[in-house]
Amino acid sequence: KAGVTQTPRYLIKTRGQQVTLSCSPISGHRSVSWYQQTPGQGLQFLFEYFSETQRNKGNFPGRFSGRQFSNSRSEMNVSTLELGDSALYLCASSLEYFYNSPLHFGNGTRLTVT
Amino acid sequence: LAKTTQPISMDSYEGQEVNITCSHNNIATNDYITWYQQFPSQGPRFIIQGYKTKVTNEVASLFIPADRKSSTLSLPRVSLSDTAVYYCLVGLSVRYSSASKIIFGSGTRLSIRP
Repeated sequence: KAGVTQTPRYLIKTRGQQVTLSCSPISGHRSVSWYQQTPGQGLQFLFEYFSETQRNKGNFPGRFSGRQFSNSRSEMNVSTLELGDSALYLCASSLEYFYNSPLHFGNGTRLTVT
Repeated sequence: LAKTTQPISMDSYEGQEVNITCSHNNIATNDYITWYQQFPSQGPRFIIQGYKTKVTNEVASLFIPADRKSSTLSLPRVSLSDTAVYYCLVGLSVRYSSASKIIFGSGTRLSIRP
C-alpha cells in the first residue's frame, strides 16, 4: 500500500507570494491533517479535514488555509508569505477521526521563504 | 488544552533499555496516548498507542499508570538506528467536537552511542 505522498518536496518562494502544497493520503484514509515543523516551535498542528470538512484548526493566522477533495486528497495554501513561514510542512492521514487513530505522515514539503 | 512534557534529550548506549517519560496532566477521559519516532527530513513514524496499563508490540512497550497523567515509552536493547526524536501525542476529546486539538510535545532527542 502506498504511503502518504506530499508534493513538491522542496519549494523556494519570495515574501508576499502564495504557495499551494499537495497531499495524497493512504488509500481508504478519510482524515488528513497538516502540521508545521520549525526548529524553534517544533511540530504544530495547522488543521484537519475529514470527509471534505474542516474539523479542527490550530492557532495559525487566516493566511493558512486548506481544503480536501472528494477523493480525500488535500491541499494547503499559504498566502502573503512571510520569512517566518519557512518550515517543513507535514501532512498525515488516518483511517478514522484522527486523534485516536494512528497518524501516517508523509515526508513533508520543505518551504523556504526569501 | 492538554500539554505534554518530555525530556529534551537523552543519551544511551547500544544494547541498553531506554525509557522516555511523557507527562500529560490534563489528559481527558477519551484520549489515547500515541508515540512517534522521527528521523531528520522525514515525517514522524507511528511506534505505539495505548489507553491504560501496558501495551507491547514488536518494537516497544508503553506503560501507563492508573491516573494516566504520564506514560513511559520503553525501547528494549536500542541500536544506533534508534537515534531519533520521539514525540508523545495526546489527542483531546470530545470525538467529533470542533474544539478538539492535537497537541504535540517538544519531543525527546535520543542519541545512541556505540
